[in-house]
Amino acid sequence: DQQVKQNSPSLSVQEGRISILNCDYTNSMFDYFLWYKKYPAEGPTFLISISSIKDKNEDGRFTVFLNKSAKHLSLHIVPSQPGDSAVYFCAAAGSPGTYKYIFGTGTRLKVLA
Amino acid sequence: DVKVTQSSRYLVKRTGEKVFLECVQDMDHENMFWYRQDPGLGLRLIYFSYDVKMKEKGDIPEGYSVSREKKERFSLILESASTNQTSMYLCASSFMRRTNEKLFFGSGTQLSVL
Repeated sequence: DQQVKQNSPSLSVQEGRISILNCDYTNSMFDYFLWYKKYPAEGPTFLISISSIKDKNEDGRFTVFLNKSAKHLSLHIVPSQPGDSAVYFCAAAGSPGTYKYIFGTGTRLKVLA
Repeated sequence: DVKVTQSSRYLVKRTGEKVFLECVQDMDHENMFWYRQDPGLGLRLIYFSYDVKMKEKGDIPEGYSVSREKKERFSLILESASTNQTSMYLCASSFMRRTNEKLFFGSGTQLSVL
């Protein structure tokens, strides 16, 4: 049973435009959400996170939105750059004291020059 | 700068071989994790450890075991490698989750079992 879902396996966007990557979760106990970026043959690198007490977190070109009632989060990249082309994973974690981070299946973003 | 180091970037092994994947972190993290990444399946947790000599099964522990004799080192063992264990293996570490802690990943080991 997939508790964290990324329903779009791939996404293509023109350079300079907005990229929107989506993630849905089923477990209402999740209280911390993270986005990771992964290039081929490298480990994932942390991008941005959000706590369930917030509905938005911004870091430069990257913004994460959380809609708790819909159990949905999204990552916005504005403006998109060719170097953003990578696989993006969302992850969710339960209450402090739990150890597991549940990852989605990933979305491959391609930014076209 | 934080560092999680995996001993090999690429490994090729034969079916039935015993395989050791090593991971070392220099951040004094309590938690360490082993994931595998497969196309269309994302990152799936194999095992994790929240303290020395402590281990917990993740979602797909079958065919694997782990060892954590020292806080900084977490080893993944494939007792008898099979072709369906061909995958990218990722080690990660984090502080104990008192507040919001993120995972730090190593560069990964691409294992091919022939």
